[in-house]
Amino acid sequence: QVQLQESGPGLVKPSETLSLTCTVSGGSFSDNYWSWIRQPAGKGLEWIGRIYSTGGAHYNPSLENRITLSVDTSKKQFSLKLSSVTAADTAVYYCARDFLGPDAFDIWGQGTVVTVSS
Amino acid sequence: DIQMTQSPSSLSASVGDRVTITCRASQSISTYLNWYQQKPGKAPKLLVYAASSLQSGVPSRFSGSGSGTDFTLTITSLQPEDFATYFCQQSYIPPRTFGQGTKLEIK
Repeated sequence: QVQLQESGPGLVKPSETLSLTCTVSGGSFSDNYWSWIRQPAGKGLEWIGRIYSTGGAHYNPSLENRITLSVDTSKKQFSLKLSSVTAADTAVYYCARDFLGPDAFDIWGQGTVVTVSS
Repeated sequence: DIQMTQSPSSLSASVGDRVTITCRASQSISTYLNWYQQKPGKAPKLLVYAASSLQSGVPSRFSGSGSGTDFTLTITSLQPEDFATYFCQQSYIPPRTFGQGTKLEIK
């Protein structure tokens, strides 16, 4: 079955760029949308953006000018870069499959905590 | 953006109870509404998609209904493992947006 695993630094300095990668295993990478979602401690969920396996992306307008999403089909990975981070970007970051059939996030990674601090 | 509002924000109930959580969208979203369950320290888990379709492997005590702007998630005969936080989410128009969550606690 499909599994997702986030990886990347857990600590990022203010004004720098947050970089995370999600590795897909156990299933098909192609013909799917892959999303990033974040959750500040004790708060709700915010959709960051999604990328198709061939590279087309959609971003949350609230973050659009700071986000870059990319895919590496050969490695079954997709990545998030969030620039000019502040303390407000401190959160658990999840990757998820944005499954077209039910139009829902049906498979999630375990999440990775990213703290923005000097 | 479409705003999703859940009620109540928190709810106390006992094992065996029937509970209903409501989600309201700021505009019509047809049936593009999903429900998730999240336990502390864990990723959300998809329970219901397209307003009323049960995700594979989810117990039948969970059910969803609604269309347009008003939706409900019902849990019949609460089990100890059901105490968690529940989120609704719309997939009608980007950006995808979530409700603020409903925390279901043991009475």
